[in-house]
Amino acid sequence: QVQLVQSGAEVKKPEASVKVSCKASGYTFSDYYIHWVRQAPGQGLEWMGWINPKSGGTKYAQKFQGRVTMTKDTSISTAYMELSRLNSDDTAVYYCAREAPWTMIKFDYWGQGTLVTVSS
Amino acid sequence: QSVLTQPPSASGTPGQRVTISCSGSSSNIGRNTVNWYQQLPGTAPKLLIYSNNQRPSGVPDRFSGSKTGTSASLAISGLQSEDEADYYCAVWDDRLSWVFGGGTKLTVL
Repeated sequence: QVQLVQSGAEVKKPEASVKVSCKASGYTFSDYYIHWVRQAPGQGLEWMGWINPKSGGTKYAQKFQGRVTMTKDTSISTAYMELSRLNSDDTAVYYCAREAPWTMIKFDYWGQGTLVTVSS
Repeated sequence: QSVLTQPPSASGTPGQRVTISCSGSSSNIGRNTVNWYQQLPGTAPKLLIYSNNQRPSGVPDRFSGSKTGTSASLAISGLQSEDEADYYCAVWDDRLSWVFGGGTKLTVL
């Protein structure tokens, strides 16, 4: 069965960086884009960007340009999202989700979420 | 301030039909297909509707979606207590990003 399993919760200080992982199983990792979406406490969903695991190509939301880096390691079917220069507004649950780019089915499987807390 | 506008809350009694609206613009809903997600408390979102009105395997036919112009709607018929959740619309915006609605909290009275 398809699964996206994310790394555990993180507590970071302001100005630090965080790297969250998303390990895929149950399907061919390189065939599906991985998106990252975050949700601040009590707030809605916010798209951060995607990575194409086959090519390594990325597309980031303008808001995060210069601060986010999405990478992948196809040998272990894992995608990563690194966010730098953290501030309190970055406290959120970060989700990965997959997309089959050749279909209309978008974000059909999600990771369980990773809570990132930014606090001094 | 979300690019897509949803009512913050909706409610209904068991068995009723409720609808949740999602209003966008010509650069997003007006040109691309809409997806809906259900988020139960403390869990990750779940795909409910894709391509405006298609249900993934396993989603009950009580859930339906529609789109007209720059607006979309999610309808839930035969409301059940387990439908109590947050619902989000999402669509690709031709200004080069995915956008979500602010979410609608559905309460089953």
